[in-house]
Amino acid sequence: DTAVSQTPKYLVTQMGNDKSIKCEQNLGHDTMYWYKQDSKKFLKIMFSYNNKELIINETVPNRFSPKSPDKAHLNLHINSLELGDSAVYFCASSQDPPGGGGTQYFGPGTRLTVL
Amino acid sequence: SQKIEQNSEALNIQEGKTATLTCNYTNYSPAYLQWYRQDPGRGPVFLLLIRENEKEKRKERLKVTFDTTLKQSLFHITASQPADSATYLCALFSFQKLVFGTGTRLLVSP
Repeated sequence: DTAVSQTPKYLVTQMGNDKSIKCEQNLGHDTMYWYKQDSKKFLKIMFSYNNKELIINETVPNRFSPKSPDKAHLNLHINSLELGDSAVYFCASSQDPPGGGGTQYFGPGTRLTVL
Repeated sequence: SQKIEQNSEALNIQEGKTATLTCNYTNYSPAYLQWYRQDPGRGPVFLLLIRENEKEKRKERLKVTFDTTLKQSLFHITASQPADSATYLCALFSFQKLVFGTGTRLLVSP
Protein backbone atom coordinates (compact mmCIF):
# COMPACT_ATOMS: atom_id res chain seq x y z
CA ASP A 1 0.00 0.00 0.00
CA THR A 2 1.36 3.39 -1.00
CA ALA A 3 1.40 5.80 1.95
CA VAL A 4 1.80 9.07 0.05
CA SER A 5 1.07 9.04 -3.66
CA GLN A 6 1.43 11.74 -6.28
CA THR A 7 0.23 12.02 -9.85
CA PRO A 8 1.64 12.42 -12.36
CA LYS A 9 5.18 11.14 -11.87
CA TYR A 10 6.43 13.14 -14.84
CA LEU A 11 4.99 16.30 -16.32
CA VAL A 12 6.40 17.97 -19.43
CA THR A 13 4.68 21.14 -20.59
CA GLN A 14 5.16 24.40 -22.42
CA MET A 15 5.78 27.78 -20.83
CA GLY A 16 2.59 29.64 -20.07
CA ASN A 17 0.47 26.53 -19.51
CA ASP A 18 -1.48 25.75 -16.33
CA LYS A 19 -0.99 22.38 -14.67
CA SER A 20 -1.95 20.52 -11.50
CA ILE A 21 -0.24 17.89 -9.38
CA LYS A 22 -2.33 15.70 -7.10
CA CYS A 23 -1.34 14.20 -3.77
CA GLU A 24 -3.10 11.70 -1.55
CA GLN A 25 -2.06 10.10 1.74
CA ASN A 26 -3.67 7.07 3.35
CA LEU A 27 -1.87 7.38 6.68
CA GLY A 28 -4.64 9.30 8.42
CA HIS A 29 -2.28 12.24 9.00
CA ASP A 30 -3.51 15.72 9.78
CA THR A 31 -0.71 17.72 8.15
CA MET A 32 0.39 17.77 4.51
CA TYR A 33 3.14 19.65 2.71
CA TRP A 34 4.47 20.62 -0.69
CA TYR A 35 8.23 20.85 -1.20
CA LYS A 36 10.25 21.86 -4.24
CA GLN A 37 13.63 20.24 -4.98
CA ASP A 38 15.68 22.12 -7.53
CA SER A 39 18.45 20.89 -9.79
CA LYS A 40 20.99 21.31 -6.99
CA LYS A 41 18.91 18.95 -4.83
CA PHE A 42 17.92 21.72 -2.43
CA LEU A 43 14.60 20.74 -0.83
CA LYS A 44 12.49 23.72 0.23
CA ILE A 45 9.07 23.92 1.85
CA MET A 46 6.40 25.70 -0.16
CA PHE A 47 3.12 25.12 1.70
CA SER A 48 1.74 23.21 4.62
CA TYR A 49 -1.85 22.41 5.59
CA ASN A 50 -3.13 21.13 8.92
CA ASN A 51 -6.68 19.80 8.92
CA LYS A 52 -7.33 21.53 5.61
CA GLU A 53 -6.10 24.89 6.90
CA LEU A 54 -3.05 26.63 5.47
CA ILE A 55 -0.37 26.94 8.17
CA ILE A 56 2.80 27.58 6.17
CA ASN A 57 2.96 29.71 3.06
CA GLU A 58 6.54 30.40 2.07
CA THR A 59 7.59 33.11 -0.32
CA VAL A 60 6.19 31.39 -3.36
CA PRO A 61 4.82 33.19 -6.47
CA ASN A 62 1.05 33.44 -6.32
CA ARG A 63 0.96 31.43 -9.55
CA PHE A 64 1.20 28.46 -7.18
CA SER A 65 -2.03 27.66 -5.40
CA PRO A 66 -2.51 24.70 -3.09
CA LYS A 67 -5.92 23.22 -2.47
CA SER A 68 -6.90 20.76 0.23
CA PRO A 69 -10.37 19.32 -0.42
CA ASP A 70 -10.02 17.05 2.62
CA LYS A 71 -7.36 15.92 5.10
CA ALA A 72 -6.13 13.16 2.83
CA HIS A 73 -5.57 15.30 -0.26
CA LEU A 74 -3.41 18.30 -1.07
CA ASN A 75 -3.22 19.37 -4.69
CA LEU A 76 -0.94 21.95 -6.25
CA HIS A 77 -2.07 24.08 -9.14
CA ILE A 78 0.44 26.14 -11.09
CA ASN A 79 -0.61 28.91 -13.48
CA SER A 80 1.41 30.42 -16.30
CA LEU A 81 4.32 28.02 -15.96
CA GLU A 82 7.83 29.44 -16.31
CA LEU A 83 11.16 27.79 -17.12
CA GLY A 84 12.29 28.31 -13.52
CA ASP A 85 9.43 26.16 -12.26
CA SER A 86 11.20 23.07 -13.59
CA ALA A 87 12.01 20.95 -10.54
CA VAL A 88 10.87 17.90 -8.64
CA TYR A 89 7.87 18.57 -6.43
CA PHE A 90 7.35 16.40 -3.37
CA CYS A 91 4.25 16.01 -1.32
CA ALA A 92 4.65 14.89 2.29
CA SER A 93 2.49 14.26 5.33
CA SER A 94 2.90 13.99 9.09
CA GLN A 95 0.60 13.23 12.00
CA ASP A 96 1.46 16.48 13.77
CA PRO A 97 2.55 19.89 12.51
CA PRO A 98 6.36 20.30 12.39
CA GLY A 99 6.45 21.71 15.92
CA GLY A 100 5.50 18.28 17.21
CA GLY A 101 8.69 16.80 15.81
CA GLY A 102 6.83 14.20 13.83
CA THR A 103 8.22 12.16 11.01
CA GLN A 104 7.39 13.44 7.57
CA TYR A 105 6.47 10.84 4.96
CA PHE A 106 7.30 11.86 1.42
CA GLY A 107 5.69 10.90 -1.84
CA PRO A 108 7.71 9.70 -4.85
CA GLY A 109 7.89 13.17 -6.40
CA THR A 110 6.65 14.74 -9.62
CA ARG A 111 9.33 15.82 -12.06
CA LEU A 112 8.06 18.94 -13.81
CA THR A 113 9.86 20.08 -16.96
CA VAL A 114 8.84 23.37 -18.52
CA LEU A 115 9.97 23.85 -22.14
CA SER B 1 22.54 34.76 7.19
CA GLN B 2 21.09 31.37 8.02
CA LYS B 3 22.84 28.34 6.58
CA ILE B 4 22.76 24.59 6.81
CA GLU B 5 25.89 23.04 5.39
CA GLN B 6 26.51 19.47 4.44
CA ASN B 7 29.54 18.30 2.53
CA SER B 8 28.61 18.67 -1.12
CA GLU B 9 31.31 16.26 -2.21
CA ALA B 10 30.44 12.58 -2.22
CA LEU B 11 31.83 10.47 0.60
CA ASN B 12 33.41 7.25 -0.67
CA ILE B 13 34.10 4.50 1.83
CA GLN B 14 34.70 0.77 1.80
CA GLU B 15 32.18 -1.75 2.97
CA GLY B 16 32.47 -2.50 6.66
CA LYS B 17 33.86 0.92 7.60
CA THR B 18 32.02 3.61 9.54
CA ALA B 19 30.65 6.50 7.52
CA THR B 20 30.44 9.86 9.25
CA LEU B 21 28.43 12.68 7.71
CA THR B 22 28.40 16.23 9.01
CA CYS B 23 25.67 18.84 9.25
CA ASN B 24 26.69 22.34 10.37
CA TYR B 25 24.30 25.21 10.82
CA THR B 26 24.56 28.94 11.36
CA ASN B 27 22.09 31.36 12.90
CA TYR B 28 19.53 28.71 13.82
CA SER B 29 18.44 27.51 17.24
CA PRO B 30 16.63 24.31 16.31
CA ALA B 31 14.48 22.50 18.82
CA TYR B 32 15.27 19.29 16.98
CA LEU B 33 17.10 17.93 13.99
CA GLN B 34 16.20 15.05 11.69
CA TRP B 35 18.14 12.92 9.22
CA TYR B 36 16.61 11.56 6.02
CA ARG B 37 17.84 9.23 3.33
CA GLN B 38 17.07 9.91 -0.33
CA ASP B 39 17.64 7.44 -3.16
CA PRO B 40 17.75 8.61 -6.80
CA GLY B 41 14.28 9.28 -8.17
CA ARG B 42 12.60 8.80 -4.79
CA GLY B 43 11.35 10.93 -1.94
CA PRO B 44 13.31 11.32 1.31
CA VAL B 45 12.80 8.68 3.98
CA PHE B 46 13.00 9.55 7.69
CA LEU B 47 15.79 7.92 9.67
CA LEU B 48 16.31 9.58 13.05
CA LEU B 49 15.28 12.58 15.13
CA ILE B 50 17.36 14.14 17.89
CA ARG B 51 16.17 16.93 20.16
CA GLU B 52 18.22 19.86 21.44
CA ASN B 53 18.45 18.36 24.95
CA GLU B 54 19.76 15.03 23.64
CA LYS B 55 23.42 14.41 22.92
CA GLU B 56 23.12 11.13 21.06
CA LYS B 57 20.52 8.83 19.50
CA ARG B 58 20.97 5.33 18.12
CA LYS B 59 18.96 3.06 15.89
CA GLU B 60 20.50 -0.22 14.79
CA ARG B 61 23.67 0.70 12.83
CA LEU B 62 22.83 4.42 12.86
CA LYS B 63 23.97 6.99 15.40
CA VAL B 64 23.31 10.71 15.50
CA THR B 65 24.93 13.30 17.75
CA PHE B 66 23.79 16.87 18.29
CA ASP B 67 26.10 19.55 19.68
CA THR B 68 24.21 22.83 20.09
CA THR B 69 27.38 24.62 21.17
CA LEU B 70 29.27 23.66 18.03
CA LYS B 71 26.02 23.94 16.03
CA GLN B 72 26.71 20.58 14.49
CA SER B 73 25.17 17.17 14.05
CA LEU B 74 27.13 14.08 13.08
CA PHE B 75 25.48 11.06 11.46
CA HIS B 76 27.29 7.73 11.67
CA ILE B 77 26.61 4.47 9.87
CA THR B 78 28.63 1.62 11.33
CA ALA B 79 29.52 -1.54 9.40
CA SER B 80 28.46 0.20 6.20
CA GLN B 81 27.07 -1.81 3.29
CA PRO B 82 26.72 -1.03 -0.43
CA ALA B 83 22.95 -0.79 0.20
CA ASP B 84 23.66 2.26 2.37
CA SER B 85 24.72 4.20 -0.72
CA ALA B 86 22.33 7.15 -1.02
CA THR B 87 22.09 10.88 -0.31
CA TYR B 88 21.62 11.79 3.33
CA LEU B 89 19.83 15.00 4.25
CA CYS B 90 19.80 16.75 7.58
CA ALA B 91 16.81 18.92 8.42
CA LEU B 92 16.34 21.22 11.36
CA PHE B 93 13.17 22.62 12.83
CA SER B 94 13.04 26.38 12.74
CA PHE B 95 10.19 28.88 12.59
CA GLN B 96 7.53 26.18 12.48
CA LYS B 97 8.99 24.32 9.52
CA LEU B 98 11.70 21.86 8.55
CA VAL B 99 14.67 23.41 6.77
CA PHE B 100 16.78 20.95 4.80
CA GLY B 101 20.45 20.88 3.98
CA THR B 102 21.52 20.01 0.45
CA GLY B 103 22.62 16.53 1.44
CA THR B 104 25.76 14.44 1.20
CA ARG B 105 26.01 11.55 -1.22
CA LEU B 106 27.45 8.41 0.34
CA LEU B 107 29.01 5.69 -1.85
CA VAL B 108 29.90 2.41 -0.18
CA SER B 109 32.02 0.14 -2.34
CA PRO B 110 32.27 -3.63 -1.85
